[in-house]
Amino acid sequence: DAGITQSPRHKVTETGTPVTLRCHQTENHRYMYWYRQDPGHGLRLIHYSYGVKDTDKGEVSDGYSVSRSKTEDFLLTLESATSSQTSVYFCAISEDRVAYEQYFGPGTRLTVT
Amino acid sequence: RKEVEQDPGPFNVPEGATVAFNCTYSNSASQSFFWYRQDCRKEPKLLMSVYSSGNEDGRFTAQLNRASQYISLLIRDSKLSDSATYLCVVNNNDMRFGAGTRLTVKP
Repeated sequence: DAGITQSPRHKVTETGTPVTLRCHQTENHRYMYWYRQDPGHGLRLIHYSYGVKDTDKGEVSDGYSVSRSKTEDFLLTLESATSSQTSVYFCAISEDRVAYEQYFGPGTRLTVT
Repeated sequence: RKEVEQDPGPFNVPEGATVAFNCTYSNSASQSFFWYRQDCRKEPKLLMSVYSSGNEDGRFTAQLNRASQYISLLIRDSKLSDSATYLCVVNNNDMRFGAGTRLTVKP
């Protein structure tokens, strides 16, 4: 299995509070991604990174920000959590954006009450 | 219209059966294709890449039809352990995931 960890694995938070999720990889892959998975929608890309300090928006980026200060770490921040951000969040890594498969972390279950 | 569409199922089949899943995609410029497997409350895991010439890995066969824009996955001799959700994934700079097809293999 690819060396990807996510923390926390579960979190319950209140509406309006900031939340930061962490993804850590030991594979030294250039690309890192944050997805959310909701019933009936499949995985949807929030943001991705193509290098240290290099990030770009995905399909559902509103309400989220990211940072990558080291190759191995990619942080996802919900500045002010809303109930619509209740979801399962997966981090993924890949060597290349197009030709190569992505490998996923174990996920974080976030509930916003 | 969703970019990647799959029949959500569920498919309920007996052990030993052959089952096939199809997936259609809308972006004709898509460049790479994959099938992932996802167990309940777990992360997606790569099952196999899908090549233009088709490819086989043991009991699993994947086919790509670019002209009709669909991908298929065939599972032969189903095992109980094949029970999972199968995700079709299409890549055109961004990975686009189907919502998944749920398979239950019964004794």
